[in-house]
Amino acid sequence: DTEVTQTPKHLVMGMTNKKSLKCEQHMGHRAMYWYKQKAKKPPELMFVYSYEKLSINESVPSRFSPECPNSSLLNLHLHALQPEDSALYLCASSQERGIAAPANYNEQFFGPGTRLTVL
Amino acid sequence: GQQVMQIPQYQHVQEGEDFTTYCNSSTTLSNIQWYKQRPGGHPVFLIQLVKSGEVKKQKRLTFQFGEAKKNSSLHITATQTTDVGTYFCAGARAYNFNKFYFGSGTKLNVKP
Repeated sequence: DTEVTQTPKHLVMGMTNKKSLKCEQHMGHRAMYWYKQKAKKPPELMFVYSYEKLSINESVPSRFSPECPNSSLLNLHLHALQPEDSALYLCASSQERGIAAPANYNEQFFGPGTRLTVL
Repeated sequence: GQQVMQIPQYQHVQEGEDFTTYCNSSTTLSNIQWYKQRPGGHPVFLIQLVKSGEVKKQKRLTFQFGEAKKNSSLHITATQTTDVGTYFCAGARAYNFNKFYFGSGTKLNVKP
């Protein structure tokens, strides 16, 4: 199974709503990522989890709250978002350095994304 | 500021023509990865380059990593309509190898 799944595919929410995005992988990867991608722009790193611990937070506003309940799951909790937060939210996973295939360590597998619209 | 620059932003080619996209980093990279994103899709890993001066080939695709590990290129020979999409490079530094700086991407359109 070389798939990263994300739910929901689409999400429309108001600025006062609380919602969560979910990501799952069963490849045994111990690094998991959240990216934000606006139209015609590259993915922008938000958070990185390594062995279920938050290792990178790219100065993301606190209205985005990541959670890694176990090695297969990654959540992104959303609260009091702004319309400019509307974007495609991508989850990715990769092996961690030192436990890797020789050629492609930390190759990132991306999920299909959640298209978020904030009204 | 932007860590990895990528040019050109867009490229329109006739099927059968060659295509090249270039990435330039302001700092030395530990490794660089290349991804392809089809319209409406998500980035898909193509390759990773690690060594200075490395060249790798995948069928019609040739990837290069510069000697100083600050630049990279992707060259497609004899493009096909299936090559349509946006190509991104993503570089990481040695002390933070899970933090990828994505280039701005090159959108390739291939006319049949």
